[in-house]
Amino acid sequence: DAEITQSPRHKITETGRQVTLACHQTWNHNNMFWYRQDLGHGLRLIHYSYGVHDTNKGEVSDGYSVSRSNTEDLPLTLESAASSQTSVYFCASSDGGTAYGYTFGSGTRLTVV
Amino acid sequence: AQTVTQSQPEMSVQEAETVTLSCTYDTSENNYYLFWYKQPPSRQMILVIRQEAYKQQNATENRFSVNFQKAAKSFSLKISDSQLGDTAMYFCAFQGNNAGNMLTFGGGTRLMVKP
Repeated sequence: DAEITQSPRHKITETGRQVTLACHQTWNHNNMFWYRQDLGHGLRLIHYSYGVHDTNKGEVSDGYSVSRSNTEDLPLTLESAASSQTSVYFCASSDGGTAYGYTFGSGTRLTVV
Repeated sequence: AQTVTQSQPEMSVQEAETVTLSCTYDTSENNYYLFWYKQPPSRQMILVIRQEAYKQQNATENRFSVNFQKAAKSFSLKISDSQLGDTAMYFCAFQGNNAGNMLTFGGGTRLMVKP
């Protein structure tokens, strides 16, 4: 069965370190998204991609970057982790042609100490 | 830009009773889609129900139904015969046809079903 997987599920890192969160989908979806979830804010869009080599900034992109070298993967990199980036991160994908929302990964809880 | 507002940060309901979660949104688009997602403690995002704006009939999925008021830009979720497994965070989300089909989420409502 097709799926979307995120790794790791939990991570603790130190301030200033570079961190990469992985997202891999086997739906063959063109569209992929990264969100962060914080209490009271719901899910906010960080970056998104509509296809290979395409990346775009979302609402809260400062301090984050993504790259899309193939259809399946959209890794999220925190260039220099800050305590304000402690959050739960969700990856999602969609085929873009229908309006059935997104398929979500199970999230990564990142703690920056 | 679209905004989605959930005015109830927390709610509780007794098992077997009915509860309604509120959601309002702001958009200039005429055709769009609205969703309710459930997030249980497992953290998984589960699609509960969806509504297409051009359909006047309110969507229903078993015990879950919506009250969609397009003119008022309101999209509430009604859970009937609440069960302990309904305890979760619930997010309302908007997806327009413009701006790349991105989902915009509300801040969420934490629902607790009490035995």
